[in-house]
Amino acid sequence: GDSVTQMEGPVTLSEEAFLTINCTYTATGYPSLFWYVQYPGEGLQLLLKATKADDKGSNKGFEATYRKETTSFHLEKGSVQVSDSAVYFCVITQGGSEKLVFGKGTKLTVNP
Amino acid sequence: DVKVTQSSRYLVKRTGEKVFLECVQDMDHENMFWYRQDPGLGLRLIYFSYDVKMKEKGDIPEGYSVSREKKERFSLILESASTNQTSMYLCASINRGRGTEAFFGQGTRLTVV
Repeated sequence: GDSVTQMEGPVTLSEEAFLTINCTYTATGYPSLFWYVQYPGEGLQLLLKATKADDKGSNKGFEATYRKETTSFHLEKGSVQVSDSAVYFCVITQGGSEKLVFGKGTKLTVNP
Repeated sequence: DVKVTQSSRYLVKRTGEKVFLECVQDMDHENMFWYRQDPGLGLRLIYFSYDVKMKEKGDIPEGYSVSREKKERFSLILESASTNQTSMYLCASINRGRGTEAFFGQGTRLTVV
């Protein structure tokens, strides 16, 4: 079945460091790809998305590019802030539906 | 402001009790989902509904049932709560269409003792 593999955490960085969280997926059909974020004590919210090959999603300084040939959707940010501390989930849609398949999440801690 | 509301943030129930978790959305979305979130396992789909009175099993439906009598409300039922159902439960709603955004409730942390 469809699945998502993302790098395991936790990840601890200093403020202004470069962030990469790797994500690869296995899917039948042509999924849409997402990154969702869960800040401490809050619900999940959409960070960015891409719906077709070579699309780049971006928001709040984060970026990810839909790479169909490598089935990847790596999340990057050039300079992280303490406020970026959260759990990040790589997510795909399953089989042309709106059902979401989640990676296990990567906890990011950014220290001042 | 769009909203998905779960009836409780925290619940403590006894083993064997019947437990109801309620979720209401105000966005007129067709699709609604129940997930459970456990450390190291991410979010796993329990059930989803793509229309009123319609439901499909997700990846881990055992021990759970659902009800969707009205479009805005999706209920998760634990028929006989067990300690291994202690978890964070998240409700989500999504409109139809490719790449549409899912909106999540704040979650219900259920402890079964």
